[in-house]
Amino acid sequence: DAKTTQPPSMDCAEGRAANLPCNHSTISGNEYVYWYRQIHSQGPQYIIHGLKNNETNEMASLIITEDRKSSTLILPHATLRDTAVYYCIVIHPRGNTGKLIFGQGTTLQVKP
Amino acid sequence: SQTIHQWPATLVQPVGSPLSLECTVEGTSNPNLYWYRQAAGRGLQLLFYSIGIDQISSEVPQNLSASRPQDRQFILSSKKLLLSDSGFYLCAWSARGGISSYNSPLHFGNGTRLTVT
Repeated sequence: DAKTTQPPSMDCAEGRAANLPCNHSTISGNEYVYWYRQIHSQGPQYIIHGLKNNETNEMASLIITEDRKSSTLILPHATLRDTAVYYCIVIHPRGNTGKLIFGQGTTLQVKP
Repeated sequence: SQTIHQWPATLVQPVGSPLSLECTVEGTSNPNLYWYRQAAGRGLQLLFYSIGIDQISSEVPQNLSASRPQDRQFILSSKKLLLSDSGFYLCAWSARGGISSYNSPLHFGNGTRLTVT
């Protein structure tokens, strides 16, 4: 599975957009990009995923570059409750395991 | 809708004591099931995953074992706990279905915080 690189921490003002980058330069053609987040003392929460097209749901938008070597998670109007560790993960459909390898993620601090 | 239950939420156990953490999933059939551990200040580490009853793969050699006696039940066990077993244990599930399962995210429980003293 492709390795991902994320900044260890970021700050964002409440109400502003939070843009969280992720590099995955070794991604292969059929690997998906997934984003999760973990609020303190809770289990990780699925946010969004994509293959090559940009995606949007009620939580966030995912922008994947044309060469697929990087992506950006966008929280359009960050709130204090969005303070969490955000994980970018790339997975390959190998077998039927679906296992994910989580790195250190980005700690997003939303400030009032 | 699907739900995942994990208990207990917190646990304090002495070194050398046994461990049993249980996880159950409702609202889905034939899920993939996973146990992860998160040590303080570190990322998530996959411990075990299972694609079916009694079909379990271990990712990391350690003091722990896992069992899946029923389709939607996943149990993490230890015969004798070590101090290094302390951590945040998370159970998760994902839908099965071959390659299409990779378009299905993992859904996590709320975790068990284990402290071995």
